[in-house]
Amino acid sequence: ELKVEQNPLFLSMQEGKNYTIYCNYSTTSDRLYWYRQDPGKSLESLFVLLSNGAVKQEGRLMASLDTKARLSTLHITAAVHDLSATYFCAVGSGGSNYKLTFGKGTLLTVNP
Amino acid sequence: GAGVSQSPRYKVTKRGQDVALRCDPISGHVSLYWYRQTLGQGPEFLTYFNYEAQQDKSGLPNDRFSAERPKGSFSTLEIQRTEQGDSAMYLCASSPSFGVGYGYTFGSGTRLTVV
Repeated sequence: ELKVEQNPLFLSMQEGKNYTIYCNYSTTSDRLYWYRQDPGKSLESLFVLLSNGAVKQEGRLMASLDTKARLSTLHITAAVHDLSATYFCAVGSGGSNYKLTFGKGTLLTVNP
Repeated sequence: GAGVSQSPRYKVTKRGQDVALRCDPISGHVSLYWYRQTLGQGPEFLTYFNYEAQQDKSGLPNDRFSAERPKGSFSTLEIQRTEQGDSAMYLCASSPSFGVGYGYTFGSGTRLTVV
């Protein structure tokens, strides 16, 4: 059974600081997804990582994937309040990777 | 429409009642997925369709839950004899081809509360 673990589950940061969220998964997969969720809202796709060594950046967020270590990271640079949200990683499995298994999420709070 | 549409947005029902939740995927999207999210957890897979064919229903918790997509367009998730433990956000997603590929598009969800 595929298991996805994120840490930390809660992260309180000051504006301007850097931090990394980690996502470990238990079985081989070459599909890793990061989503953002604001309170009471649905999931917004942030990054799709499709191969070992993949790195993608959008604004202050950068995601990477190491399939050998079964590890993905989401790095936050110079955090701003607008980044406050819950961040989920999800791993694809099944034929055509139709099924996503999500981590529990990291609740990020960026304080002034 | 431009995105995945779910209705109703909120549903409060009494224990023991049946409910039906609707999902309209992005026009032309082949695959449709249902997930359930409880407070403080990530979404959990329920079931998925390619066109009208239900390909995997292994995530449905028990036989009170069923889903259909009769014409390969909209889908309905039905819960019979609801229980308080069914309270959750039910999310629908769609993708243009089989599988996740470059990622699903999720709808805004239906928040179900069973009282």
